[in-house]
Amino acid sequence: NAGVTQTPKFQVLKTGQSMTLQCAQDMNHEYMSWYRQDPGMGLRLIHYSVGAGITDQGEVPNGYNVSRSTTEDFPLRLLSAAPSQTSVYFCASSYSGQGGKLFFGSGTQLSVL
Amino acid sequence: DAKTTQPNSMESNEEEPVHLPCNHSTISGTDYIHWYRQLPSQGPEYVIHGLTSNVNNRMASLAIAEDRKSSTLILHRATLRDAAVYYCILREGAGGTSYGKLTFGQGTILTVHP
Repeated sequence: NAGVTQTPKFQVLKTGQSMTLQCAQDMNHEYMSWYRQDPGMGLRLIHYSVGAGITDQGEVPNGYNVSRSTTEDFPLRLLSAAPSQTSVYFCASSYSGQGGKLFFGSGTQLSVL
Repeated sequence: DAKTTQPNSMESNEEEPVHLPCNHSTISGTDYIHWYRQLPSQGPEYVIHGLTSNVNNRMASLAIAEDRKSSTLILHRATLRDAAVYYCILREGAGGTSYGKLTFGQGTILTVHP
């Protein structure tokens, strides 16, 4: 199993550009989520999904869109990048049962100039 | 959402046990207690989780207070590789209204001295 795979690992954007951060898991997890982590800070939840076709907002959803058309994939879209979105982004997934142990990807470092 | 409180930082010497505390006074009956750690420049990794009883695995032990309002992560013999930020979070059981909304606080920065 590859676990949780995030691409790209690094990305530089100009203000106003759009892009999609990819997240895929091969563990058949129902739950997937996106977090951002600013320097020296903890993780903040952006969006999450409890199953294919179901998404919901976390604590910092503005400026980001998500969709969940398959169990495996949970892409995060930045429609018009802003410097305030410069951060490290982590994707995580889990089963619904047994307390829901989270598996994290290795992260995407995004810089918006 | 239930929240947790952890000390900002702790220090330990190599080869000694480390007890990392976490308070969660508003925990509900269906909340699991999870611990994750984040090494520098890496994503968080799972350490341990439990509901009511104490738990042990190859990485650590989790001691849960009888009233479940606090817990302690125990690293039995700290190594330099255990230096990381440790996060204690609560996760509602599947089907709960807050199941998906996981909140990470600032965590505890653990420094291990050689």
